[in-house]
This record gives sequence, structure tokens and C-alpha cells, in this order.
Amino acid sequence: DTEVTQTPKHLVMGMTNKKSLKCEQHMGHRAMYWYKQKAKKPPELMFVYSYEKLSINESVPSRFSPECPNSSLLNLHLHALQPEDSALYLCASSLQGMGVDTQYFGPGTRLTVL
Amino acid sequence: GENVEQHPSTLSVQEGDSAVIKCTYSDSASNYFPWYKQELGKGPQLIIDIRSNVGEKKDQRIAVTLNKTAKHFSLHITETQPEDSAVYFCAAPQGYQKVTFGTGTKLQVIP
Repeated sequence: DTEVTQTPKHLVMGMTNKKSLKCEQHMGHRAMYWYKQKAKKPPELMFVYSYEKLSINESVPSRFSPECPNSSLLNLHLHALQPEDSALYLCASSLQGMGVDTQYFGPGTRLTVL
Repeated sequence: GENVEQHPSTLSVQEGDSAVIKCTYSDSASNYFPWYKQELGKGPQLIIDIRSNVGEKKDQRIAVTLNKTAKHFSLHITETQPEDSAVYFCAAPQGYQKVTFGTGTKLQVIP
């Protein structure tokens, strides 16, 4: 099973709302990622968790707050977002979080900020 | 850091023809090169990858070739079908934990 699941599939939120995106994998992978993807662009790395510890934060604004409760779950908490944050948010996982590991992506959450 | 260039940005082919997408990279130490296919409204899916100890890898109608001297790798799709229409991204490792994606190629297969 090489499946990464993400919920919700779509999310519309106002700039004052607080919401969370969820990601889950059961492949025994020890690294999980959050990416942001704008239309017609490649995925842009936001965060990397390796062995449940935050190992990379690509200078993401604090209105995005990641959380890794255990090795299978990854959350992204959203607060006070801006309209320019509207995008497809992708979760991925890999065996150990090395650059040579294959990353498996979920279907994404389409986020619209009003 | 790694820089990956991908060409062409768009590609239209007739059904049954071949399609070739090329990527060049800058870091000669890079040793893993995956290709992802992203259909509309979905996440990228790995379709094939190659490691630097081989020059070519095939999986049915899909092949990837690697030229380490020239620092480029290519995706070849033969006998294209309408369901091959998608955006394709190449990638290469960047540092220890990251990958750099190419800018993407939108492939349209015309029935």
C-alpha cells in the first residue's frame, strides 16, 4: 500500500478562521512533508518532519503551524491566512527523509481563503 | 544548491506518437532522479525513477535515460494514449533531505 491520504479534499475559510489539514500514511515511513502548490507551478516545500521531529522549515509564516502527533500522522494548523495562501496543499512521505528516498504524495487539499 | 531545468513547458502529440521530456541538473553529486505525473486535481504520482548506477530504465511504455556526463535525464513515453495527458515533473535531490522539482511539462495527447 503506497497511499497517503489527506482530509479535507476542499476547504474554504475566512481570514479570521482556524482550521487544520490532516495527512496519514501507513507505509511505515519516518519522514513526512508539507508542500504548497500554486497553479501551473511545481510543489514548493514548506516543512519536513523526520522521525517525528521538525527538521526543515522553509521560512514559512507562523500562520502555518505543523504538527506530527506520531509517525503516521501529520497536521497543518492554519490561522489568520491571507488570500494569497490559497493553493493546493500536498502531503508526502518517504522512508527516512533523505533526498534519495522516493516521496509518495497524497491527493492534496484545495484551500481557498476568502 | 541544485538547479533543475525542464523542457519543453508544453508538448502536444498525436495519439500513438512518442513524447520526450528533458531535464538538466547542476549538482554532479546528484544520484537519484524521479519523474512524477500529476493529473488535474490530483497529487503528483511517481511513474519512474533512475539512480546514477544505471543509464536507462524501462517500464512498459515509459523509459528514463540518464547522462551523468552531460548532467541531463529524459523521460520517454512511447505509443502515447489520451490518459497520458497530464503535467510531468522531474526532480533531483537537493542537499540531504530535499528535492528540487523541474518547472513541469504539460503533455497533451490528441486522439
